[in-house]
Amino acid sequence: DSGVTQTPKHLITATGQRVTLRCSPRSGDLSVYWYQQSLDQGLQFLIQYYNGEERAKGNILERFSAQQFPDLHSELNLSSLELGDSALYFCASSVDHLGNTIYFGEGSWLTVV
Amino acid sequence: AQSVTQLGSHVSVSEGALVLLRCNYSSSVPPYLFWYVQYPNQGLQLLLKYTSAATLVKGINGFEAEFKKSETSFHLTKPSAHMSDAAEYFCAVSEPFPGAQKLVFGQGTRLTINP
Repeated sequence: DSGVTQTPKHLITATGQRVTLRCSPRSGDLSVYWYQQSLDQGLQFLIQYYNGEERAKGNILERFSAQQFPDLHSELNLSSLELGDSALYFCASSVDHLGNTIYFGEGSWLTVV
Repeated sequence: AQSVTQLGSHVSVSEGALVLLRCNYSSSVPPYLFWYVQYPNQGLQLLLKYTSAATLVKGINGFEAEFKKSETSFHLTKPSAHMSDAAEYFCAVSEPFPGAQKLVFGQGTRLTINP
């Protein structure tokens, strides 16, 4: 158990819908990261927040957005869902943003039908 | 830009044999390097990391990796494979950019252990 908690673990939704994935980082960790794992793209970095502020952005679509709240939990919002958005979405956290170990949650499986 | 290439999407070894998983990286600055393991239906677990200290890094479960700057490699080894090592292994690189950290992953290598 990494200490990073993600909900829901599994989600099935229809195209065009919107979903929210939630993440609670490890106690004491200020950085939260979101990654997408799909069969065709592999593991891709989406976005990083540090203590509520966006710090780095990767291949995140405009239909996707994220935020980190004052209690440090984070949400990833996916809208206008397409079949290709079906993937495993990982949240990860670390103490700070400078090479410290990044701990991953078990992921949220999203299936778009 | 950073990138990682893992040579071999599938590697199969016999139980008790040497495990060697290959990783080559590209980075414009001295990188941080990581190996993660993913067991079926689980998240990613850190095996070991290199952050510019000793070039030979020891990790969990008997794994180790050696950073070779001249070869831009960070291969993962284990002297004797165990059935429980069957999993997918990911090499990742991160540039120590102030204020942010982004892991760039390789495509992964699926390790199969034959009895």
